[in-house]
Amino acid sequence: DAGVIQSPRHEVTEMGQEVTLRCKPISGHNSLFWYRQTMMRGLELLIYFNNNVPIDDSGMPEDRFSAKMPNASFSTLKIQPSEPRDSAVYFCASKGGDEQFFGPGTRLTVL
Amino acid sequence: GQQLNQSPQSMFIQEGEDVSMNCTSSSIFNTWLWYKQEPGEGPVLLIALYKAGELTSNGRLTAQFGITRKDSFLNISASIPSDVGIYFCAGQRYGGSQGNLIFGKGTKLSVKP
Repeated sequence: DAGVIQSPRHEVTEMGQEVTLRCKPISGHNSLFWYRQTMMRGLELLIYFNNNVPIDDSGMPEDRFSAKMPNASFSTLKIQPSEPRDSAVYFCASKGGDEQFFGPGTRLTVL
Repeated sequence: GQQLNQSPQSMFIQEGEDVSMNCTSSSIFNTWLWYKQEPGEGPVLLIALYKAGELTSNGRLTAQFGITRKDSFLNISASIPSDVGIYFCAGQRYGGSQGNLIFGKGTKLSVKP
């Protein structure tokens, strides 16, 4: 079992640049979640998809953040333009039943 | 919004000691989950609880779903150095944003050999 796959694992970019984070959920899971983790705020849910449809995006901090799920095996989280305060670890998780499984995360640093 | 209060924030213990941590909420949850996160990795699911009063073990780990459905605890017996990490509780409700988890702030566990 491959588990949830995220890429890249690390991203360093300059303020103002566009950043795209990618996620492949576990095959057969019909829910996908994007989280952000920081020391100050812990784990925060950004957006949640069910059967590729966004259900709750109330955690997306600003219009600079957008997420898509074009099919059941792929999702992206885009930040445009990026800012230093976006620096965090971004996790993708998928769920087939009641249990969420997390990917290894993408550590984003915006200089 | 819903919040989970997880305590303690951190623990420094000697190898072999037992550990106990808990989460409380002002709201009722239908599911409680406990995760462990090691440096550079995503949270890994340890135990899932689905019924009030349920007591579930996974090796040296034991977790319980509180009777009021507003709390849960996790115990680790005879701790070992590889237990080091951050432990998160998470609660799940249905309705509204179905299926999303509310996470506690985590308990950072350090084990001295």
